[in-house]
Amino acid sequence: AQSVSQHNHHVILSEAASLELGCNYSYGGTVNLFWYVQYPGQHLQLLLKYFSGDPLVKGIKGFEAEFIKSKFSFNLRKPSVQWSDTAEYFCAVGSYNQGGKLIFGQGTELSVKP
Amino acid sequence: EAGVTQFPSHSVIEKGQTVTLRCDPISGHDNLYWYRRVMGKEIKFLLHFVKESKQDESGMPNNRFLAERTGGTYSTLKVQPAELEDSGVYFCASSQTGGGYEQYFGPGTRLTVT
Repeated sequence: AQSVSQHNHHVILSEAASLELGCNYSYGGTVNLFWYVQYPGQHLQLLLKYFSGDPLVKGIKGFEAEFIKSKFSFNLRKPSVQWSDTAEYFCAVGSYNQGGKLIFGQGTELSVKP
Repeated sequence: EAGVTQFPSHSVIEKGQTVTLRCDPISGHDNLYWYRRVMGKEIKFLLHFVKESKQDESGMPNNRFLAERTGGTYSTLKVQPAELEDSGVYFCASSQTGGGYEQYFGPGTRLTVT
């Protein structure tokens, strides 16, 4: 069965610290990979996505993620977080063969202290 | 361009009652997805419409849940009769034809069954 695992449930950082959120997935075919973010009181919105090509993808607000096929991983990174990055982050996997439905990880709550 | 909208934003009902959730996708988006997040758990896929047809309803928990998308526009998700374990946040998302395009999420409906 397909699954997505996010390594951390809650991460607390100070402003300017570097961020790395782990995501591993289990799927036997070609996948599309996503990171979504939900800021307090807002909709889920797409941070970045990987479909093919360069495994290092850049998203909005200075976020990036690296797809490592051999490790089934798609970790999210940001060199220097800001208080405004406080949110919940979701890793997700989708597939054309599955109609595009998304399989989500459990979510990681990020709290950035000013 | 209007985003995905959902109504109501919050519903509190008693066990055994019926509730109908509504989702209006982005105009022109053929794909419509329903997801649910039970407290403390991951966001889980419920079903996928392509226009008015159910493409995949493998995530529907049981036959107390009925989804429709008449005319291929808005969708409703009815829970009848509601049980305590149905409490959670119900998200709707829409995307363009192709299955792998970005899904745009609505704000969610928080359902509380008492």
